[in-house]
Amino acid sequence: GESVGLHLPTLSVQEGDNSIINCAYSNSASDYFIWYKQESGKGPQFIIDIRSNMDKRQGQRVTVLLNKTVKHLSLQIAATQPGDSAVYFCAENNGGNQFYFGTGTSLTVIP
Amino acid sequence: NAGVTQTPKFQVLKTGQSMTLQCAQDMNHNSMYWYRQDPGMGLRLIYYSASEGTTDKGEVPNGYNVSRLNKREFSLRLESAAPSQTSVYFCASALGGISNQPQHFGDGTRLSIL
Repeated sequence: GESVGLHLPTLSVQEGDNSIINCAYSNSASDYFIWYKQESGKGPQFIIDIRSNMDKRQGQRVTVLLNKTVKHLSLQIAATQPGDSAVYFCAENNGGNQFYFGTGTSLTVIP
Repeated sequence: NAGVTQTPKFQVLKTGQSMTLQCAQDMNHNSMYWYRQDPGMGLRLIYYSASEGTTDKGEVPNGYNVSRLNKREFSLRLESAAPSQTSVYFCASALGGISNQPQHFGDGTRLSIL
C-alpha cells in the first residue's frame, strides 16, 4: 500500500526564521502532491500543491520542492510567524480516487 | 462563504447506538469524501462520492454507510457504534476528481463511543 511519512514529528523555530518540513513517499507513480496546514480543533487547510511535472512551486511565503528521484517532498515557510504554528502534513495521489496522507509535523514558532 | 459545514461538532455515543454525521458544501463541488483522523495516523478515507448519485468504498469502510443526498450533502452513518470508531471525522469536497484538484475540508466531528 501507500506509505507517506514525515522525517520529524515536531519542529520548533524562532519567529522570523525559515522552516523546512519534509515528507517522503513510497509510490513512484504518485503524480500530485498537496501540503495541508491543520490548526488545533480545525480541519486541514490547503496550502499549496505540485504536480510531478514540476520540481518547485512557490506561493505566498511558501515553497514546495519535489524530488522524484528520491521520492521526497518539502515545504519551506519563509519568515515563520506565530500564526504558522500548526500541524503540517503532505498528501499524495497516483491518479486514483484517493489521497494518502502523512501523519504530520507539529510546527511551533517561538516568539 | 461557509465552504464545508459539518454537524454536529461533538458527540458522545454508547456502544451499539446509531448516528448520522451530516456534511454540506456550498461550493458547487462534484466530489465529496469522508475521512477519519486518529492519533499517530494520517487521514484515512472511509467513503467517497465522485459525483451525485455515486458512492464508493475507501480504505476503511467497515461499520459505516453513506448517502449522497444531493450535490450539496453527503452523510455518514454508523449503524451500531463501536469504541474503535472513536475518532475525529472530516468531510471534504473537491471541484472535480481528486487526481488533479485539492480537497476542501470541514472542521470535523469529534465522536466518542463509550
